[in-house]
Amino acid sequence: DGGITQSPKYLFRKEGQNVTLSCEQNLNHDAMYWYRQDPGQGLRLIYYSQIVNDFQKGDIAEGYSVSREKKESFPLTVTSAQKNPTAFYLCASSIAPGQGVGEQYFGPGTRLTVT
Amino acid sequence: AQTVTQSQPEMSVQEAETVTLSCTYDTSESDYYLFWYKQPPSRQMILVIRQEAYKQQNATENRFSVNFQKAAKSFSLKISDSQLGDAAMYFCAYRSTSGTYKYIFGTGTRLKVLA
Repeated sequence: DGGITQSPKYLFRKEGQNVTLSCEQNLNHDAMYWYRQDPGQGLRLIYYSQIVNDFQKGDIAEGYSVSREKKESFPLTVTSAQKNPTAFYLCASSIAPGQGVGEQYFGPGTRLTVT
Repeated sequence: AQTVTQSQPEMSVQEAETVTLSCTYDTSESDYYLFWYKQPPSRQMILVIRQEAYKQQNATENRFSVNFQKAAKSFSLKISDSQLGDAAMYFCAYRSTSGTYKYIFGTGTRLKVLA
């Protein structure tokens, strides 16, 4: 079955530590995205990637970093510079613009708690 | 820049009744895609329905249908015969057909289904 996997589902870290969230897709999608969702809130874009070895900042990139070394993988690192990292993180993928309707497919999310 | 507005933070509907969720958007583009996503308590984002702007016919998926008014820039979601499993956050989203890879999401509407 094609889809997006995120691991782990729950992640706990101490303040001051960097942490990396995993996102893998086997949909052969060119584009991948990271969103942050706070309780009762909508989705805010952190980073997105159009192709391998290329990525762009979203609306709230400060304190986060990403890499796109493989088409299937788009890991997100939450650094110690992120002032309020506790949140729910969603990874998504889609086809490129112009290739079709291109809805986003989402992973199950990772709940990060930093204390 | 495009914006998506969901003016109803919360809605309630009696089981088996019909409810309509509102979404308006602002864009200067003539061709684009619109989506409704459902986020149940599991927090998995699920595509409910999609609409291509060049199509005048309103999209329908089983009990879910949209009222797409392009001139008014309105894209409401109608849920018929509401079921307890429909209780969720619903997000309206916009995607340009031009080169941008970004999706624009509304802030969401929480739907409660009363037994």
